[in-house]
Amino acid sequence: AQSVAQPEDQVNVAEGNPLTVKCTYSVSGNPYLFWYVQYPNRGLQFLLKYITGDNLVKGSYGFEAEFNKSQTSFHLKKPSALVSDSALYFCAVRDITGAGSYQLTFGKGTKLSVIP
Amino acid sequence: NAGVTQTPKFQVLKTGQSMTLQCAQDMNHEYMSWYRQDPGMGLRLIHYSVGAGITDQGEVPNGYNVSRSTTEDFPLRLLSAAPSQTSVYFCASRTTGTAGNEQFFGPGTRLTVL
Repeated sequence: AQSVAQPEDQVNVAEGNPLTVKCTYSVSGNPYLFWYVQYPNRGLQFLLKYITGDNLVKGSYGFEAEFNKSQTSFHLKKPSALVSDSALYFCAVRDITGAGSYQLTFGKGTKLSVIP
Repeated sequence: NAGVTQTPKFQVLKTGQSMTLQCAQDMNHEYMSWYRQDPGMGLRLIHYSVGAGITDQGEVPNGYNVSRSTTEDFPLRLLSAAPSQTSVYFCASRTTGTAGNEQFFGPGTRLTVL
């Protein structure tokens, strides 16, 4: 079975400071990893994904994430936070080699608050 | 492209009533799915479909039915609504040709069961 853990329910960061939202995963095979963002009363929007290749992936709005296979982590980062980055962030995983390879499993979400 | 559309945006039901949440996509995506979002629990997969005529259960399928008669539409039916089904429901779609393709989400339906 595949699973995702987002250990922090909430992350607070000052505007202009770097931000990190943590994610660890568990799969039996090879993972595809995703980050989505949800603004209030909206659907989820895709930010970035790791499929294969370079462990550092870049996505929308200046976000990036680093895949670390040994630590089974895929932390989301941004060098300088904006107030407009305040939202709910979800990490998700798909095990591409397992029986449930169609299914995307989400973490519980991390609420990011950027303080002016 | 309109992307993934959902109707209605809001719905209030009484316990025992039935209803259908509509989902449509105009991107010719083979894979479609339904999730429910509850506070502190993230998104949980209810049902999914890999093509017309093919559906399967996800993590929390009880109390819900789906069908996929066309590529575009994937309705979710609540047969006898219960207060535990109060939630926000999201429909999503993606292609299956490349397993790494991201999912596109609809705007959601906020359902309250009294």
